[in-house]
Amino acid sequence: EAGVVQSPRYKIIEKKQPVAFWCNPISGHNTLYWYLQNLGQGPELLIRYENEEAVDDSQLPKDRFSAERLKGVDSTLKIQPAELGDSAVYLCASSLDSLGIAGAGEQYFGPGTRLTVT
Amino acid sequence: QKEVEQDPGPLSVPEGAIVSLNCTYSNSAFQYFMWYRQYSRKGPELLMYTYSSGNKEDGRFTAQVDKSSKYISLFIRDSQPSDSATYLCAMSAFPGYSTLTFGKGTMLLVSP
Repeated sequence: EAGVVQSPRYKIIEKKQPVAFWCNPISGHNTLYWYLQNLGQGPELLIRYENEEAVDDSQLPKDRFSAERLKGVDSTLKIQPAELGDSAVYLCASSLDSLGIAGAGEQYFGPGTRLTVT
Repeated sequence: QKEVEQDPGPLSVPEGAIVSLNCTYSNSAFQYFMWYRQYSRKGPELLMYTYSSGNKEDGRFTAQVDKSSKYISLFIRDSQPSDSATYLCAMSAFPGYSTLTFGKGTMLLVSP
């Protein structure tokens, strides 16, 4: 079974440019998460989708960040315009659901996209 | 003070050693506790999931929770070079994985 796929793996852009990250979750997983991981820190949730609905986007900086999950499968996270402080790893994770304490609820993470803003 | 504190390390041990990794937390509402392993340039993977206080064992790994002290531990027996990774603790007041608070992670280096 293929894991969570993310692309690109690495991205270098100049500040004020737009950038987009793509995530393909594990087939059949209804819940999709985007996390931000700064160097030397743990992941921090940006947004959680249940199917195509964003059910928790309280930590998403909406002035410059946007996300979508059309048809409840693939998802795209966009930053426009990027700032120097956005340099980080953007992780996508998926799970069958978000409520299970094991099994169905377990998150599977992708390898992340490492963004460098110069 | 952050909700979850974790020593970033690195923690260096010889192969075969018993490793102890720890986190402290301040939010008494946390009831669900997890340990993740993250290899370099990879996403985290779940190692252990525990609820409330007590011990849970899985192979060479033992997770321990002491809610009275707000302290959780992960023990690794017979450590191997392949255990070299960053270990993240995570916790939540609710079941499931939707509202996790992660620690910074501890880098573990196991030398052959």
